Amino acid sequence: NAGVTQTPKFRVLKTGQSMTLLCAQDMNHEYMYWYRQDPGMGLRLIHYSVGEGTTAKGEVPDGYNVSRLKKQNFLLGLESAAPSQTSVYFCASSYSSRGNGHTEAFFGQGTRLTVV
Amino acid sequence: EDKVVQSPLSLVVHEGDTVTLNCSYEVTNFRSLLWYKQEKKAPTFLFMLTSSGIEKKSGRLSSILDKKELSSILNITATQTGDSAIYLCAVRGWAGGTSYGKLTFGQGTILTVHP
Repeated sequence: NAGVTQTPKFRVLKTGQSMTLLCAQDMNHEYMYWYRQDPGMGLRLIHYSVGEGTTAKGEVPDGYNVSRLKKQNFLLGLESAAPSQTSVYFCASSYSSRGNGHTEAFFGQGTRLTVV
Repeated sequence: EDKVVQSPLSLVVHEGDTVTLNCSYEVTNFRSLLWYKQEKKAPTFLFMLTSSGIEKKSGRLSSILDKKELSSILNITATQTGDSAIYLCAVRGWAGGTSYGKLTFGQGTILTVHP
């Protein structure tokens, strides 16, 4: 039971470098989310997707881009990393059905990113 | 803009105490409120509430939603050291279009239970 898998788990970047975080889910969920978690701030939504090929901005989208080319994958990109992007990043997924409404979100194990 | 506020932000208790955590929200077209527990890594799901006044219960944990007051509480009775965690509240609403499914979290309550 893989569920939601994030890679990598840890990464250290230098200011200005770029990187992509990968989120993969094997539950056939339509909805996928990227959050960042900082001390005292809870989880803040960066971007989300309601289906393959569609993305939308969350609360804190600046400095990030996303793509959802395949239903099972949701990529988060940092084009030019800044120290303010040092955080723990969580990916999540969920689904909705006519009969049962929207489910809870299932989370990956997180990626700890440090930008120096 | 959806908004979720949790209180208190942190709480320290001793084993055996009962605690009540609060969650207030502002959301367009409320759909559901969710509670999660986060220990070292990923948040784990506790409850989803959609109807006012109906208590959901799991062991020593229970939660109830008050749509009139736009709030929810999470109760933990007879606390144990294993209850030490961050408790997160989230709401789902719908402002139209692709906002369906969007889940907004509060800041979390850090609960510490001492032996």
